[in-house]
Amino acid sequence: GAVVSQHPSRVICKSGTSVKIECRSLDFQATTMFWYRQFPKQSLMLMATSNEGSKATYEQGVEKDKFLINHASLTLSTLTVTSAHPEDSSFYICSARTGTSGGQYNEQFFGPGTRLTVL
Amino acid sequence: RKEVEQDPGPFNVPEGATVAFNCTYSNSASQSFFWYRQDCRKEPKLLMSVYSSGNEDGRFTAQLNRASQYISLLIRDSKLSDSATYLCVVIPPTSGTYKYIFGTGTRLKVLA
Repeated sequence: GAVVSQHPSRVICKSGTSVKIECRSLDFQATTMFWYRQFPKQSLMLMATSNEGSKATYEQGVEKDKFLINHASLTLSTLTVTSAHPEDSSFYICSARTGTSGGQYNEQFFGPGTRLTVL
Repeated sequence: RKEVEQDPGPFNVPEGATVAFNCTYSNSASQSFFWYRQDCRKEPKLLMSVYSSGNEDGRFTAQLNRASQYISLLIRDSKLSDSATYLCVVIPPTSGTYKYIFGTGTRLKVLA
């Protein structure tokens, strides 16, 4: 099956620093990648959708200047949390989708997630 | 009203029991539905898609009720390993991005 990796799996940083998270599709080309955030005991909340070679589309309430997304190739998307603060501590999960068309079978494949702790 | 709603539980059931979860959605034009399983501190994993006619995969049965706008998941003969959070996913009609909308999840604990 399709495999998506994320790196790092865990990061602890000081307040005010920037953190970059990588999401890679290992055995398929991902035309679209999604970035989610999950706080404890809550569900996954979509932050943004990125298509290769174009600007990401951010969900309402997500600051695009704080969460920088780059989808430079069909196998790599990065999320940079700029000037991180303790309230940004969360579980960040990416997913990748192969097709450009919709439909019930257009499954998203999830990365293992990155746990960010900002001190 | 939230786009996708689930009872957060937890549902505590003994091994061997049958348990069912429902998930309601607000957009009647939604086309695609899934059930995912998420273990603690892990990513969600696809359990099964939900087809209009209902579908079964071993001990798991998924149903779609369009009239009442809900999907259901039935687990028969529960195993300890079924303990997890079950997330329903709805894809509402959009401009083409086919975003997943997750429910809050229902936590299941299967007890020995």
